[in-house]
Amino acid sequence: DGGITQSPKYLFRKEGQNVTLSCEQNLNHDAMYWYRQDPGQGLRLIYYSQIVNDFQKGDIAEGYSVSREKKESFPLTVTSAQKNPTAFYLCASSIGRGDTEAFFGQGTRLTVV
Amino acid sequence: GQQLNQSPQSMFIQEGEDVSMNCTSSSIFNTWLWYKQDPGEGPVLLIALYKAGELTSNGRLTAQFGITRKDSFLNISASIPSDVGIYFCAGLQWSGYALNFGKGTSLLVTP
Repeated sequence: DGGITQSPKYLFRKEGQNVTLSCEQNLNHDAMYWYRQDPGQGLRLIYYSQIVNDFQKGDIAEGYSVSREKKESFPLTVTSAQKNPTAFYLCASSIGRGDTEAFFGQGTRLTVV
Repeated sequence: GQQLNQSPQSMFIQEGEDVSMNCTSSSIFNTWLWYKQDPGEGPVLLIALYKAGELTSNGRLTAQFGITRKDSFLNISASIPSDVGIYFCAGLQWSGYALNFGKGTSLLVTP
């Protein structure tokens, strides 16, 4: 079945360590997005990519990095520079700019211990 | 991104009741969408609206794109326990590359 797969579902990290969250899609979508969700805060955009080898910062990019080497994959690295990394992270994809129907993965819950 | 103001923040209703929630912004949006999120899962698209004044239904759900392009509402009729979850509005501006989201409405339904 086509869809977006995020892994792992739960992730624990020690303070000071970098960690990478995986996002893979087989929908043949050009655009991919990373959102962060905190209780009562809704979804806030971290990074987005409209095409392979190109990506742009969203509203809260500080302390995060991404890559888009393949159309299917858009991994997110949470670096030690992120002051408050504990959150629920959601990856999404859409056909491309102008296509508004974004499809979401099941999310990764990151906890810093 | 542009802020979307979603209300109410939470609702606690009895099964069978109708529900209404809305989303407003100070900016114009060209597309409004409504998503539902179950606990620990990603949001799922419920309804997409593309034209000002558009009224669209999906089963017991009805949503409208405000005529000013600055607001949208979602109605759920005859609520059932499986309607429990968080409902998000989202909008896309003409020059936008990614959706802006409201903070969500948490819905609880008692049998």
